[in-house]
Amino acid sequence: ELKVEQNPLFLSMQEGKNYTIYCNYSTTSDRLYWYRQDPGKSLESLFVLLSNGAVKQEGRLMASLDTKARLSTLHITAAVHDLSATYFCAVAGGTSYGKLTFGQGTILTVHP
Amino acid sequence: GAVVSQHPSWVICKSGTSVKIECRSLDFQATTMFWYRQFPKQSLMLMATSNEGSKATYEQGVEKDKFLINHASLTLSTLTVTSAHPEDSSFYICSARVAGSGYGYTFGSGTRLTVV
Repeated sequence: ELKVEQNPLFLSMQEGKNYTIYCNYSTTSDRLYWYRQDPGKSLESLFVLLSNGAVKQEGRLMASLDTKARLSTLHITAAVHDLSATYFCAVAGGTSYGKLTFGQGTILTVHP
Repeated sequence: GAVVSQHPSWVICKSGTSVKIECRSLDFQATTMFWYRQFPKQSLMLMATSNEGSKATYEQGVEKDKFLINHASLTLSTLTVTSAHPEDSSFYICSARVAGSGYGYTFGSGTRLTVV
């Protein structure tokens, strides 16, 4: 059974600081996703990582994938209040092609 | 981009009644639709996978007779919560794979179900 674990689960940051959210998964997969969720809303796609060593950046967020370590990171640079949200990683694969397994989510709060 | 339209956005129903949630793919054909449930402060849990023209595949622990899924066309999948109870109150989200999108998934806007 594919398991996906994120840490930390709660992250309180000051504006302007940097931090990293980690996503570990238990079985081989070649597709990893990062999503953002605002309160009361559905998911917004941030990144799709498809190969070992993949790195993608959008604004203050950068995601990377190490398939050998079964680890993805979401790095936040110079955080701003607008980044406050819940961030999920999700992994496709295992025995059920197409099905996504989500991490627990990281609740990010950025303080002035 | 590919859009999945989900309705209603929110619904309040009495205990014992049934509620239907619809997800329509607006500009693409959704061969497969995934249905998730999310309780407050928790992650998304896959309930079932529906494929057009065939029976849905339910995850372990999800009652098939309670959560009826129909995927009669390539653009419409529905989830009916039958004989709803307060413990069914949750946020329900549908999602579809989008062919040719670099393995992306698109998500519906979600339905907040409250059973009173």
